[in-house]
Amino acid sequence: DSGVTQTPKHLITATGQRVTLRCSPRSGDLSVYWYQQSLDQGLQFLIHYYNGEERAKGNILERFSAQQFPDLHSELNLSSLELGDSALYFCASSDRKGSGANVLTFGAGSRLTVL
Amino acid sequence: SQQGEEDPQALSIQEGENATMNCSYKTSINNLQWYRQNSGRGLVHLILIRSNEREKHSGRLRVTLDTSKKSSSLLITASRAADTASYFCATDAYDYKLSFGAGTTVTVRA
Repeated sequence: DSGVTQTPKHLITATGQRVTLRCSPRSGDLSVYWYQQSLDQGLQFLIHYYNGEERAKGNILERFSAQQFPDLHSELNLSSLELGDSALYFCASSDRKGSGANVLTFGAGSRLTVL
Repeated sequence: SQQGEEDPQALSIQEGENATMNCSYKTSINNLQWYRQNSGRGLVHLILIRSNEREKHSGRLRVTLDTSKKSSSLLITASRAADTASYFCATDAYDYKLSFGAGTTVTVRA
């Protein structure tokens, strides 16, 4: 157990639907990252939050949104789902401070299947 | 787009042999990290090498970094069946994220 909790583990839904993926970071970590892993795209960075504020945005589609709440858990919302959104979605957390090294602790992932 | 690119994409070796994989990247970095992913599971951090370091060891792992060539290598010595996994390099380029390569899939045959 890495200490990063992701729910749900598996999710099957239909095109056009909306889903919410949830992540609880490791205790004490203020940073949360979301990554998408699909077979043909590798591990793609989506978005980074630090203590409730968005810090960096990657190739995140406009149909996707995320937030980090005061208790530091984060949610990734995926809407108007398409077949191509089927992937493993990982959350990772970090306790990076200042210019220190940014080592990520990953959750087990949420596997999304869009039919 | 991905910062790092691993080579080879896949590697099959006999138990006890060494496995070497390479990573090339494009921009200046603060540090470079290697992660392992067992099939369908979350990534696990293995080792970090800072931009001012050239070589680092951790158990059976040896990492080198050549910032002039923007490349790194990961060597796993005396491989075991449990080393079967995908290995990813990740670069920290002072931009609030880690950028991952596409990974090298290593299969260790008994």
